This record gives sequence, C-alpha cells and structure tokens, in this order.
Amino acid sequence: KAGVTQTPRYLIKTRGQQVTLSCSPISGHRSVSWYQQTPGQGLQFLFEYFSETQRNKGNFPGRFSGRQFSNSRSEMNVSTLELGDSALYLCASSLGSSGGVNEQFFGPGTRLTVL
Amino acid sequence: GENVEQHPSTLSVQEGDSAVIKCTYSDSASNYFPWYKQELGKRPQLIIDIRSNVGEKKDQRIAVTLNKTAKHFSLHITETQPEDSAVYFCAAPKAAGNKLTFGGGTRVLVKP
Repeated sequence: KAGVTQTPRYLIKTRGQQVTLSCSPISGHRSVSWYQQTPGQGLQFLFEYFSETQRNKGNFPGRFSGRQFSNSRSEMNVSTLELGDSALYLCASSLGSSGGVNEQFFGPGTRLTVL
Repeated sequence: GENVEQHPSTLSVQEGDSAVIKCTYSDSASNYFPWYKQELGKRPQLIIDIRSNVGEKKDQRIAVTLNKTAKHFSLHITETQPEDSAVYFCAAPKAAGNKLTFGGGTRVLVKP
C-alpha cells in the first residue's frame, strides 16, 4: 500500500496570506489528523477528521481550519498567516474505526515558512 | 485534558548499552500508548505501541512497559546501535478519538 502523502512539501508565504495544505491517507483509512511541529512547542494536535466530519479539535485559533472529502483526502487551511505559524505540518492517517484509538501513520509533512 | 511528560530530554549512550525513556500521563482513561522515532528531516515513525490490557510488549531490541496504576510507561532499547540515534516521542490519547498528546521528545545519541 502507498503511504501517507502530503503536498506541497515546502511553502514560503508572507504574513497576512493564507495557505492550503493537502493530505492523502493510506488507502482504506478514514481518519486524518493534523499536527503542528515546532522546536519550541513540539508536536501539537490541530484537529481530526473522520467520514468528512471534524471529530476532535485542539487548542488552535479559528484561523486554522480543515475539511475532509468523500475519498478521505483532507485539507487544512491557515488564514491571515503570522510569523509564529512557521512550522512542519504533519498529517496522520488511521483506520478511524469507532470504539478505540487506532495506530496513526504520519506523512512526510509540509514545511511552511512565513516571512 | 491529557498531559504527557517525557524524560530525559537528551540521552547519550555508548553503542551496545541500553537506553530507557520514561513518560507519565494524566488521564487515567487513556488506553493506548504509542512510541514514535523521528530521524532528522524525516517523518515520525511508529515503532511500537501498547494497549492498557497488557503490561509489556517486545519487538526485537525494543520493549515498552506500562504501569497503569502509576500512570507511566517506558521505552527500552537494548544493544543500541548508531542507527538508533534519533528523537523519540511518547504519546497518549484523549479518552475518546484519535487525538494524541505527545511528550516533549528525547534526543538519543548512540556513540560508536
């Protein structure tokens, strides 16, 4: 099976712009979670989508949003970019079945730099 | 919410020695504890995980132990090799769903 893919791999934006990142999960996986990784804050959960619905949400401002399509592919959007949004954005794919937590497999990430 | 503490933040060992990383969690309802290895410039990779119905799990040179009463779990790497050098993260979920709270990471350096 193909692994988790993310596009683009690198992005450079300026403050105030918006950005959209994409994640394609492993075939058959229905849950996609998004994480932000920075040297200072480590790995922080943004949100999880399952069957096109947001199932969990972390403590990030409303500028961070996401969605999931019927083929389980997910996008996250960050509006009005700030310098502090510079980070590696990782998505994680899992089966997402109800009744418990599933193994999560990470994509390669999108490195976002805000100037 | 869940809080995960990880120690130590850095660990230097001689090749062939063992390495132990410890994590504590706060949510007693947590029932799944994965460990990830992240090499420089690469994605976090799931290396082992344990569910709350067992106390220990092994996979070759890697083992994880869980103490639910004390709310802590540990990663043990035996016979360390230079390729074990990486940052290791523990995690625990919010009681429901796939939201993982990660520890701060342990940078392991295996000296040849």
